[in-house]
Amino acid sequence: KQEVTQIPAALSVPEGENLVLNCSFTDSAIYNLQWFRQDPGKGLTSLLLIQSSQREQTSGRLNASLDKSSGRSTLYIAASQPGDSATYLCAVPSGAGGYNKLIFGAGTRLAVHP
Amino acid sequence: GAVVSQHPSRVICKSGTSVKIECRSLDFQATTMFWYRQFPKKSLMLMATSNEGSKATYEQGVEKDKFLINHASLTLSTLTVTSAHPEDSSFYICSARDSGASNSPLHFGNGTRLTVT
Repeated sequence: KQEVTQIPAALSVPEGENLVLNCSFTDSAIYNLQWFRQDPGKGLTSLLLIQSSQREQTSGRLNASLDKSSGRSTLYIAASQPGDSATYLCAVPSGAGGYNKLIFGAGTRLAVHP
Repeated sequence: GAVVSQHPSRVICKSGTSVKIECRSLDFQATTMFWYRQFPKKSLMLMATSNEGSKATYEQGVEKDKFLINHASLTLSTLTVTSAHPEDSSFYICSARDSGASNSPLHFGNGTRLTVT
């Protein structure tokens, strides 16, 4: 059974810092891994999708890496800003459930203060 | 980009009543949509997979008679919480993927905050 863990659960940093959020999964046979952002009381915004054949994906100040063999992914946020404050979730498809059935981690709650 | 619209964003109802939540894909077609539930400071838990034109597939432990799902078209799925109780209070989120695009990411609605009094 696939399980997804995110560390740390919460993070508070001053503006401008570079951050690394960690995600680990127990079953390395994944199709892809997706990082999401969730603002309080809101839905999810897809940030980056890494296919199983890829090592990393970049979008602006965000860079996500994937190491399937070790069951890990990291989300790197460069030069953090207060607007980055949100909960960041990683998710992988459930092997038994197919491509679209996602298993989520509990998220990392990020607070970036001015 | 792909947009999933969920309505209502917030609803308060009395115990024993039913509530319907809509999930629409606005600029793409989705043969499959997904309904998640999220408890405070917890991760999302998949409740069921909504299949266009056929019965939904429910996850273990989810009562299908309690959470009725209908997927009547390629752009609309509805979740009806029947005979709601306070323990049904939660944040419900739907998601969908563009059926016409390979390897496209899942897109999520903005969620519905249900409070049962």
